[in-house]
Amino acid sequence: EAGVTQSPTHLIKTRGQQATLRCSPISGHTSVYWYQQALGLGLQFLLWYDEGEERNRGNFPPRFSGRQFPNYSSELNVNALELEDSALYLCASSRIGQGVNEKLFFGSGTQLSVL
Amino acid sequence: GQNIDQPTEMTATEGAIVQINCTYQTSGFNGLFWYQQHAGEAPTFLSYNVLDGLEEKGRFSSFLSRSKGYSYLLLKELQMKDSASYLCAVRGGDYKLSFGAGTTVTVRA
Repeated sequence: EAGVTQSPTHLIKTRGQQATLRCSPISGHTSVYWYQQALGLGLQFLLWYDEGEERNRGNFPPRFSGRQFPNYSSELNVNALELEDSALYLCASSRIGQGVNEKLFFGSGTQLSVL
Repeated sequence: GQNIDQPTEMTATEGAIVQINCTYQTSGFNGLFWYQQHAGEAPTFLSYNVLDGLEEKGRFSSFLSRSKGYSYLLLKELQMKDSASYLCAVRGGDYKLSFGAGTTVTVRA
């Protein structure tokens, strides 16, 4: 069974540009989560999608947005990139969004570098 | 909001035991998770606690006290491959999973 897959593995952009990151959840998983992991910091919650709808959002500006497609894959878009957006962006999936004991399975991440 | 605290770094010797503490303050509580993350890799699930007490899984055990907002992860018979970052994560009342900054464990020979 394939795990959570993310693309691209690495992405280099310049300030002001837009970045699009993609995630495919494990087959059968309907919930997708996005986290930002900056160097030396913990995972910061960005967005949670379940059944195509945004269920929760972290404390990030509106230029961080995303969507979930009918096949449950997801995109994270970051507009007007800033230097501090440089980080590892991790996607995770779970079977049920509001299952109390549902664990998250993580992809290997997209390393975004903003120059 | 959530506030999750854990030590930044710990060092131990191969074969020893290490205990990683995690304290949390959350709006509602729907479980506590521990994840392991090796450098450059994705976090992987280790354990889950929702009721008070100890959950044992091989060399790893996790403890929870909801009244104290406290958990620990116990790693026994440390091996070199256990060198990694250990992440404490709490699922709050809104079902969002929030992570602590992680504890980097270094195992020395």
